[in-house]
Amino acid sequence: AQSVTQLGSHVSVSEGALVLLRCNYSSSVPPYLFWYVQYPNQGLQLLLKYTTGATLVKGINGFEAEFKKSETSFHLTKPSAHMSDAAEYFCAVSDQRYGGSQGNLIFGKGTKLSVKP
Amino acid sequence: DGGITQSPKYLFRKEGQNVTLSCEQNLNHDAMYWYRQDPGQGLRLIYYSQIVNDFQKGDIAEGYSVSREKKESFPLTVTSAQKNPTAFYLCASSIRRINYGYTFGSGTRLTVV
Repeated sequence: AQSVTQLGSHVSVSEGALVLLRCNYSSSVPPYLFWYVQYPNQGLQLLLKYTTGATLVKGINGFEAEFKKSETSFHLTKPSAHMSDAAEYFCAVSDQRYGGSQGNLIFGKGTKLSVKP
Repeated sequence: DGGITQSPKYLFRKEGQNVTLSCEQNLNHDAMYWYRQDPGQGLRLIYYSQIVNDFQKGDIAEGYSVSREKKESFPLTVTSAQKNPTAFYLCASSIRRINYGYTFGSGTRLTVV
């Protein structure tokens, strides 16, 4: 069965520092991978996704992620953190039990990012 | 603009009461989902529906019920059988091709008083 592991439930960085949020997945077939962001008391918003093609994907707010099949990873990065980046981030992988392009998403437990001034 | 509307934003329930959370979308999405979110536990799937008049249990369906009579609507009832209902509930929708991901509503925070 597919699963998602986000290393570190809390990550703290200084403003202007590199942001690195880690996500590893297990999947028996090439997955679709997603990163979502959640601000307090709000729903989740799609940051970026990998489906096929280029393994380095760029998203909103300056974030990007690289799909590394050999490492089964999809880590999220941003070169320079901003105070407004403080939020919770969720990695998700497609549940391919149903085959083809249908199915559900499986979410990691989330990583809360704090940004220090 | 298209989107998902969850209401109410805050809901208080007395012990032993059933309450219904509303979720409406105007995105013409086929699939709809309900998740429960507790601190440190991520999102846990309660129920999902791929088409009208059909729905499936997720990982934590006990104490919850749903209906899907219209494509646009997927209400969730939290019954008195759910012993610990205090949580943040999120509704999402998607087209049936999963590579497009989900669109989420803004959530309902349910508190038992």
